[in-house]
This record gives sequence, C-alpha cells and structure tokens, in this order.
Amino acid sequence: GAVVSQHPSWVICKSGTSVKIECRSLDFQATTMFWYRQFPKQSLMLMATSNEGSKATYEQGVEKDKFLINHASLTLSTLTVTSAHPEDSSFYICSATRAAGTYNEQFFGPGTRLTVL
Amino acid sequence: AQSVTQPDIHITVSEGASLELRCNYSYGATPYLFWYVQSPGQGLQLLLKYFSGDTLVQGIKGFEAEFKRSQSSFNLRKPSVHWSDAAEYFCAAGGNDMRFGAGTRLTVKP
Repeated sequence: GAVVSQHPSWVICKSGTSVKIECRSLDFQATTMFWYRQFPKQSLMLMATSNEGSKATYEQGVEKDKFLINHASLTLSTLTVTSAHPEDSSFYICSATRAAGTYNEQFFGPGTRLTVL
Repeated sequence: AQSVTQPDIHITVSEGASLELRCNYSYGATPYLFWYVQSPGQGLQLLLKYFSGDTLVQGIKGFEAEFKRSQSSFNLRKPSVHWSDAAEYFCAAGGNDMRFGAGTRLTVKP
C-alpha cells in the first residue's frame, strides 16, 4: 500500500507554454502533498506543501504565480508550471502523507522529468 | 538552521566489500531520520527510518543504520555490497518539513 503515481513521467515543451503535472495517491487518502524539485546531480529541494482544499504553502524563493499548485481532492494534487522557460527544466517529485498525527511518513512518486526547449 | 550533511559526494567500493555512508544532522532536537535510495531517473525508495528506541535500525536490501546522538549522526551501512546497489543515496531528517542531504553517489566496481 501507499503508492503514489505521477503523470506524465516525462514531458518536453516549448518555452512560454504551460505544463501540468499530476500527483495521485492510488491506495490512500493524502492529507498533505509535497512538491520537490531536483536539478541534475543535486538533492531534492522542497517547493511547496499543499493540503486538500487549502492554498499551498510555498518555500522561500519559489514563485507561487509560476508554480501553481492545486490540491482539489484527497488523492490528487497538480503542479502547473506556467510560461515555462529552459531554466525550469528539472526533475519534479511529489510525495504524500496519509495520516494525521505528529509525524506523517512521506511516500514519494516516481518523478516527472520536464525539459523546456 | 536545520540541516543535513552528507560529507561524501561520491564513494566507490568493490562488489562484496562493506559500505558505510555518512550522515550528520543539525537540529534543535533529535529529528526523525531517514535513508532513501534513488536510481537514475527514478523516484525515492525508503531504505529505513529512525523515530526512537533501538539505535540500530534494520532496513530493506540488507542495509542498516546506526543513530548516534552524541555525534548527531545516522550512518548507513551494508556488510557486502552488490552491483545493483549502485545508486544515489540521500539522508533526510524531519517530519513534514523534511530536509535532504546533498546525496552520495555510490559506484560499485566489479
């Protein structure tokens, strides 16, 4: 159990277009979902935290108007990269937690590779 | 500031040799601690985690880690490395506010 999927697994787009990435918890309800970005040969950097039905909380330095996050249901969160530029090319990983409490283990999706031409 | 440090960027070991990957954390109190493995182009797989209790934690794939409060460390070990263990390893700390180390790339020589 606790499987998280992402779609698409990779996407190539032209500069200036918008791209939507989906993150789904397949067999549990996710109280919170997280979005990370990972540049080549670097670590994961948290971009934002989202709770179902609430506005996402963005980390310092992450443009909320550029990276739109919607957590419309307990099993789906979407990240939309608006007006994408080559510097947005990265590996985007989501994770989800499934239980309330002091600590909620994060279950990670397989990631989405975004390449902006 | 809360942080996780992995001092070794790249480690090369021979197949069958033992392995130790280092991780140090800087937190006000002992955080939850994790080790993840990432193969190229893939997401993260949890190897093991420490919340409290026994300081020696057993994980999947024959990995273990030891929590040492006095050294603020949570080093990952494996007694005999297999070629399939070649990957990127991340130490992480925290809970919902998780911080990752920079990662250690493991290369396994035949």
